[in-house]
This record gives sequence, C-alpha cells and structure tokens, in this order.
Amino acid sequence: DAGVIQSPRHEVTEMGQEVTLRCKPISGHNSLFWYRQTMMRGLELLIYFNNNVPIDDSGMPEDRFSAKMPNASFSTLKIQPSEPRDSAVYFCASSLGSIYFGEGSWLTVV
Amino acid sequence: DAKTTQPPSMDCAEGRAANLPCNHSTISGNEYVYWYRQIHSQGPQYIIHGLKNNETNEMASLIITEDRKSSTLILPHATLRDTAVYYCIVRVGNPGSARQLTFGSGTQLTVLP
Repeated sequence: DAGVIQSPRHEVTEMGQEVTLRCKPISGHNSLFWYRQTMMRGLELLIYFNNNVPIDDSGMPEDRFSAKMPNASFSTLKIQPSEPRDSAVYFCASSLGSIYFGEGSWLTVV
Repeated sequence: DAKTTQPPSMDCAEGRAANLPCNHSTISGNEYVYWYRQIHSQGPQYIIHGLKNNETNEMASLIITEDRKSSTLILPHATLRDTAVYYCIVRVGNPGSARQLTFGSGTQLTVLP
C-alpha cells in the first residue's frame, strides 16, 4: 500500500494567498484526520472526518481554515487568506483501526 | 481522554534495550494506551497499543502495570534509526473507533553509538 499521500510536500507562499493542501487516504480507511505541528504548540488536531462526514472541527483555528472530503479517496485543507502564523507542518492521517500518518506538507507563509 | 506524563528526553546506547516510561494515573477502564513515534521530518508512526495485557509486535513490547496507571515501551535492541520523539497516548475506544489521538510533548529518545 502506498500509505497516506499528501501534496504538496513543501510550499512557500506570500501572505494573503490561498493555500490548498491535499490528501489521499489509504484505500479502505473510513476516517481521515488533519493535524498541524509547530514548535510552539506541538501536534494539534484540526478536524476529522468519518465516512466523509466532518465529526469534530473544534480544532480549526478560525474561519480562514476550511476542510472538505468530497469522497472517500480525497480531502483538502484550505487556508484563505494565509498568514505567517499559519506556517507549520500539516499532517493528514487515515484510519480503519490504528491511525496512519502521511509525510506532511511543510507550509511557509512569508 | 486521560492525560499522560513522559520524561522529556532519554539516551540509550545502541544495541541496548530502550525503556520508555509513561504515567497515566487517571486512565479509565475503557481507555487504551497507544505509542507512536516521530522521526525528524517525518509523520508520526504507529508502534503498538494495549488495554490491559502486555503486548509485543515486531517493533516493540508494551508493558502495562496491573493497576494500569503506568506503562513502559521497550525497544529490545535500539538502533540509531530509533532516535525519535516517542508519544504515549491514552484514548477511549478500541482501535476501530473513529476517535482522534491527542498528542502530548513526548520523550525525545537519542540512541548513542
């Protein structure tokens, strides 16, 4: 299995631009998670889906962040407009039992 | 989910067993203990989980005390590639339940040559 696939792996963007992060979960997994990791705050859950339905989005920082899962094999996390404090590594993870993480998307907003 | 306490850092000599402790004194009867690790610049990696009994897989062993208030992850023969941050997480529900993991600060394990 290819594992959880995230894209882009690295992105540098200017403040105010829209950022879209993409995730392909492991085939057959029915839960998908978006986490953010920074030095200051560690790993934080942003949102998770079960069977494509958002279950808990209480970790989403503010209205600038949105996540969608239009089907079982694809999810996006969008930041609009982006700000320098959004710079972080964003991890997508999927699960049918134990949770498996992707390699992360490294975002830098300048 | 119950809170966990881990030492911030530990060293271990290559080839020796690494024993990583975790305290979870407020654990409830339906909470599982999970261990993940994160090697620098990579995503967290599942290692092992358990409820009451000790568990072993190809990566590690998990020893849970009888009162379930603490546990120890054992890497039997640590290698340099085991250098990572190790997270002990307590979570309600079995692995099949759709619940998120809440990560603490973890233990930075450094395996020394």
